[in-house]
Amino acid sequence: ETGVTQTPRHLVMGMTNKKSLKCEQHLGHNAMYWYKQSAKKPLELMFVYSLEERVENNSVPSRFSPECPNSSHLFLHLHTLQPEDSALYLCASSQERTGRYGYTFGSGTRLTVV
Amino acid sequence: LAKTTQPISMDSYEGQEVNITCSHNNIATNDYITWYQQFPSQGPRFIIQGYKTKVTNEVASLFIPADRKSSTLSLPRVSLSDTAVYYCLVGEYSSASKIIFGSGTRLSIRP
Repeated sequence: ETGVTQTPRHLVMGMTNKKSLKCEQHLGHNAMYWYKQSAKKPLELMFVYSLEERVENNSVPSRFSPECPNSSHLFLHLHTLQPEDSALYLCASSQERTGRYGYTFGSGTRLTVV
Repeated sequence: LAKTTQPISMDSYEGQEVNITCSHNNIATNDYITWYQQFPSQGPRFIIQGYKTKVTNEVASLFIPADRKSSTLSLPRVSLSDTAVYYCLVGEYSSASKIIFGSGTRLSIRP
């Protein structure tokens, strides 16, 4: 149990579907993140939320829409994705927004876009 | 951003000590060095962090020479379960965007 729970673990969706990824942290952390890890590529930071406010958006296409209703929950809403968006999507949390004291990652959602 | 260079892969055997070296020649004064471990289909896990000299915890040791242009993660008496990808991160942590996960080192432990 890492303290960061992601659901679902696996997701297959068509290019016209709308789906959401969910992340929940039980660590009392103030910052949450979405990362994307494609096959054979390093982790890419997508979004950073600090105390429910989006503080960083790394030029992510609008078909990815994050939502942070409170400091414990983070969502990634997906719509009209492309096959190249297939990847492992990882949620992380940390004590504060820079991650200075380390990130705690969830196990990820393996997304396949068909 | 301080660029890091790690070996792409390493092999070792159970019970051996494994040392993974990371080069970061342009490390800045305020940069910290952090190592993460990642198993397949899981998120990375924080292992250890340091600024200079030596840091040790229950999992690993981190050796940083005086010039800080490199660092070595030392895993004592590895087991099969230590097979994973190990990432060396260098940054000042003023922004999460400045903390870059590179390609890492794929460590394979054999019986």
